[in-house]
Amino acid sequence: EIVMTQSPGTLSVSPGERVSLLCRASQSVSTNLAWYQHKPGQAPRLLIYGASTRATGVPARFSGSGSGTEFTLTITSLQSEDFAVYYCQQYNKWPPEYTFGQGTKLEI
Amino acid sequence: QVQLQESGPGLVRPSETLSLTCTVSGGSISSGCWSWIRQPPGKRLEWIGYIIDSGNTNYNPSFNSRATVSVDTSQNQVSLTLRSVTDADTAVYYCARGAGFTSVWSWGAPRTTVAHFDYWGQGTLVAVSP
Repeated sequence: EIVMTQSPGTLSVSPGERVSLLCRASQSVSTNLAWYQHKPGQAPRLLIYGASTRATGVPARFSGSGSGTEFTLTITSLQSEDFAVYYCQQYNKWPPEYTFGQGTKLEI
Repeated sequence: QVQLQESGPGLVRPSETLSLTCTVSGGSISSGCWSWIRQPPGKRLEWIGYIIDSGNTNYNPSFNSRATVSVDTSQNQVSLTLRSVTDADTAVYYCARGAGFTSVWSWGAPRTTVAHFDYWGQGTLVAVSP
């Protein structure tokens, strides 16, 4: 099983700042990587897929980069609504396998 | 806009069967990929399994064949059955729609799978306790 490791676990930031969240895979996943945003009591939201493609309706301040084993989610100019937990997820084509990172919590 | 809403009992006894339903609105479930994902308290998200085009299913091997995902197209609902539960099955259970379809060749036949999950429900908490 491919293990996804996110860092840091918690990031304390202020609105308007730029942040980068890191996700590492235990072996190469090419660009088979997605990012999700999750707020308490809400449905998780797909932000990025294919490592760098923004999902429909996702603001341009969210961007993803990386390939192989190291990936970054960057949020420029943090808005109040961006404070949430962020998860990365890799997928293996066949047999299907989906594993998630443990999450990074963005707090004010 | 596709919306998913999970429902089911909040409490299940050990060794019994957990049954959850996901009601989908804003789209038909007769085609596409519908999945179940869970998150035990303090742990990471864990994929359970999915069903594609109302027929083809795949599961996380770690569930040791305890899980079944099915659809009821007349009700536009996706179901999860998890047998022989233990306290390790206590979790928030999410249904999600798979996206990013791709085909691969395996055992001489084309297989369809998905890359990520574009719509999720809010989740339902299930506790396993005597």
